[in-house]
Amino acid sequence: EIVMTQSPATLSVSPGERATLSCRPSQSVSSNLAWYQQRPGQAPRLLMYGASTRATGIPARFSGSGSGTEFTLTISSLQSEDFAVYYCQQYNNWPWTFGQGTKVEIK
Amino acid sequence: EVQLVQSGAEVKKPGESLKISCKGSGYTFTSYWIGWVRQMPGKGLEWMGIIYPGDSDTRYSPSFQGQVTISADKSISTAYLQWSSLKASDTAMYYCARLPYGNYRINFFDYWGQGTLVTVSS
Repeated sequence: EIVMTQSPATLSVSPGERATLSCRPSQSVSSNLAWYQQRPGQAPRLLMYGASTRATGIPARFSGSGSGTEFTLTISSLQSEDFAVYYCQQYNNWPWTFGQGTKVEIK
Repeated sequence: EVQLVQSGAEVKKPGESLKISCKGSGYTFTSYWIGWVRQMPGKGLEWMGIIYPGDSDTRYSPSFQGQVTISADKSISTAYLQWSSLKASDTAMYYCARLPYGNYRINFFDYWGQGTLVTVSS
């Protein structure tokens, strides 16, 4: 089973600033990586798939990059609605696995 | 508009059985895999298993094989997750979610239900 390590666990950012989240699989997952956002009390929402393709309706301030064993989610200018927990998921190997999440909080 | 609507919160005792549901609409239910994801209190996401409603082909994560049963009734566009004997450790939020690709091995979750909270307590 592939272990997904996200860092940092918590990221404190001021509104309008840039946030950079990391996800590192324990072995290569090619570009088969998705990112999800989970706001408090809500279901997760797909942000990115294929490492860098934004899902339908996701604003351009979200971008994803990476392949293999190193991935990044960047939020270029944080808005109030972006403060949430973000999870990465690899879907290259069975069983699919999620990272433990990065909480983006208001500084 | 794709929607997945889950059944309401449940409170059960250890040893009881339970079946929760997820009704899909706004798309061809039989043409997309549906998965179930567990989120224990204050914790992250765990993929449990998936089903293809068109032919009921079902695949389980090794961690959940034998612990739960996933099924579907395509006539009413509904997928199910069931337990035969609940434990306190089954207390969690359970989400259903649609998978956009036909290849069950290379896939992710594009639309999610609102979640069903299951509480198991004596």
